[in-house]
Amino acid sequence: LAKTTQPISMDSYEGQEVNITCSHNNIATNDYITWYQQFPSQGPRFIIQGYKTKVTNEVASLFIPADRKSSTLSLPRVSLSDTAVYYCLVGEGGADGLTFGKGTHLIIQP
Amino acid sequence: ETGVTQTPRHLVMGMTNKKSLKCEQHLGHNAMYWYKQSAKKPLELMFVYSLEERVENNSVPSRFSPECPNSSHLFLHLHTLQPEDSALYLCASSFRSGGYTFGSGTRLTVV
Repeated sequence: LAKTTQPISMDSYEGQEVNITCSHNNIATNDYITWYQQFPSQGPRFIIQGYKTKVTNEVASLFIPADRKSSTLSLPRVSLSDTAVYYCLVGEGGADGLTFGKGTHLIIQP
Repeated sequence: ETGVTQTPRHLVMGMTNKKSLKCEQHLGHNAMYWYKQSAKKPLELMFVYSLEERVENNSVPSRFSPECPNSSHLFLHLHTLQPEDSALYLCASSFRSGGYTFGSGTRLTVV
């Protein structure tokens, strides 16, 4: 499975756009890029998944450059409730079993 | 509610006890997983079941014993645990390729 690197922590303020970048230099051809959000003492929640270019849903956008060696999760107009740990995962998913890293601890301040 | 239900939510057990964690999903997924999350550590994949067959063990100690009787149910049987096994145990399910849906977890404390 491709290894990912993302910042340990980030801070922002309510109403701002937050971009979290993840590096995955050895991503394989069949790998997808998936982001999860986790609140304390809860299971991770699927946010968004993409393969290339840009994906957008009601929660976030995912930007993937042509070489796919990195990706950026964009959260528009964050609120205090977006304070959580965000994980970037790369793999075919499913029965391969996803390996989680340490994630990015995002702290949103008033 | 995510569609993946774990019971109990909290469990305190002694080191000589035997207990079981239960996970149930009605999302039509055909793969299920057990993860362990200790304090301030990343999630650790413990077991993978795909189409009800175990496909990955990850060298988990034998005091943890999984069981997957059908595609909707997953159990984790616990016996003679150690205090360091105290953690949040998370169940997830997915299609063979696709995003995971996690349950809310069981907070296990071994005393």
